[in-house]
Amino acid sequence: EDQVTQSPEALRLQEGESSSLNCSYTVSGLRGLFWYRQDPGKGPEFLFTLYSAGEEKEKERLKATLTKKESFLHITAPKPEDSATYLCAVYQGGSEKLVFGKGTKLTVNP
Amino acid sequence: DAGITQSPRHKVTETGTPVTLRCHQTENHRYMYWYRQDPGHGLRLIHYSYGVKDTDKGEVSDGYSVSRSKTEDFLLTLESATSSQTSVYFCAISETRLDTQYFGPGTRLTVL
Repeated sequence: EDQVTQSPEALRLQEGESSSLNCSYTVSGLRGLFWYRQDPGKGPEFLFTLYSAGEEKEKERLKATLTKKESFLHITAPKPEDSATYLCAVYQGGSEKLVFGKGTKLTVNP
Repeated sequence: DAGITQSPRHKVTETGTPVTLRCHQTENHRYMYWYRQDPGHGLRLIHYSYGVKDTDKGEVSDGYSVSRSKTEDFLLTLESATSSQTSVYFCAISETRLDTQYFGPGTRLTVL
């Protein structure tokens, strides 16, 4: 059973065209929802942790929000350097096992 | 960047040979993890460690073993490599249980 589902699988934007990525989760007893950025050939780079519904965090052009069932990663006025795969993850039922979604590949064209 | 290194960064081996991948950290974090990443599957946990000589299985542990004799080193061993173990392997660390995990640069393993 998929516990973390990301959509869309791929997204193409023009530079400056804002959009949102979705991460829905079905784990009970959320112990944090994590967003990562991954560039080709590199390891995931930590972006944000969200712990409770209503929480928001921002970093440059990125803003992450959390509800009881999903999280959104909003990208405002993206630039080509924002092109990457964005991953979200949650801990499985309070265990030490971090479960990842399959990611959204974002491409920002100049 | 978190002080995590992985070695080797690339390896090509043949079916049936043993392979050991090393993860080294300089952060003194208690938890260490091994993941594999494959197209269509995303990142999946193989094994993790919650202290020296304390390890547990993840989602895809069959065919893999791990050891941790020092806080800073976590080894992943493929006793007899198979083509299905061709993948990119990532090590991660976290300071405490259920904490943010920080990832290493990865090892690309090809089993012919």
